[in-house]
Amino acid sequence: AQSVSQHNHHVILSEAASLELGCNYSYGGTVNLFWYVQYPGQHLQLLLKYFSGDPLVKGIKGFEAEFIKSKFSFNLRKPSVQWSDTAEYFCAVSTDKLIFGTGTRLQVFP
Amino acid sequence: NAGVTQTPKFQVLKTGQSMTLQCAQDMNHNSMYWYRQDPGMGLRLIYYSASEGTTDKGEVPNGYNVSRLNKREFSLRLESAAPSQTSVYFCASSERLAGAADTQYFGPGTRLTVL
Repeated sequence: AQSVSQHNHHVILSEAASLELGCNYSYGGTVNLFWYVQYPGQHLQLLLKYFSGDPLVKGIKGFEAEFIKSKFSFNLRKPSVQWSDTAEYFCAVSTDKLIFGTGTRLQVFP
Repeated sequence: NAGVTQTPKFQVLKTGQSMTLQCAQDMNHNSMYWYRQDPGMGLRLIYYSASEGTTDKGEVPNGYNVSRLNKREFSLRLESAAPSQTSVYFCASSERLAGAADTQYFGPGTRLTVL
């Protein structure tokens, strides 16, 4: 069965630190890849997505992610985090259904 | 343009009670979904509807039923609530069924507690 793994469950950073959240999936076919974010008290919203073309995709608020097919990975990065990035981040893979990872809780301290 | 709306926002039930969670979208999307979100488990798909008139089971359908009332509305029913159904429930919609590169748009969620 398809699955998505997010290895970092809880990440704590200071403002201006760099961020990288890992995401690996298990599926041998063509996939569409997503990162969703859930800010405190809010619903999920799309951060960025990859479905074809340039494997480095840019999303909102300075986030980017790189699709590495050989590693089945789609890691999320941001060079310098802000306090307002405090949220839960979900990686998701779309095959015939959208499969979510368990999420990574990011806390950014001023 | 409200996007995806859900009612109620909060609900407390006693074991054995029934209730229906309502969801509506105004984006003319074909596909709609119900997820539950539990700590440490991410979002898990309960049921989905590829298009008006069709519904299918997701990963965790037991204890739930759904109705795709029309293109806009997709309700989730708990016939006999159990404490294991305490969760946050999210409705989502997309233009086409997952498998395409379509973004799913989520509602604000319903926080359900079953005592």
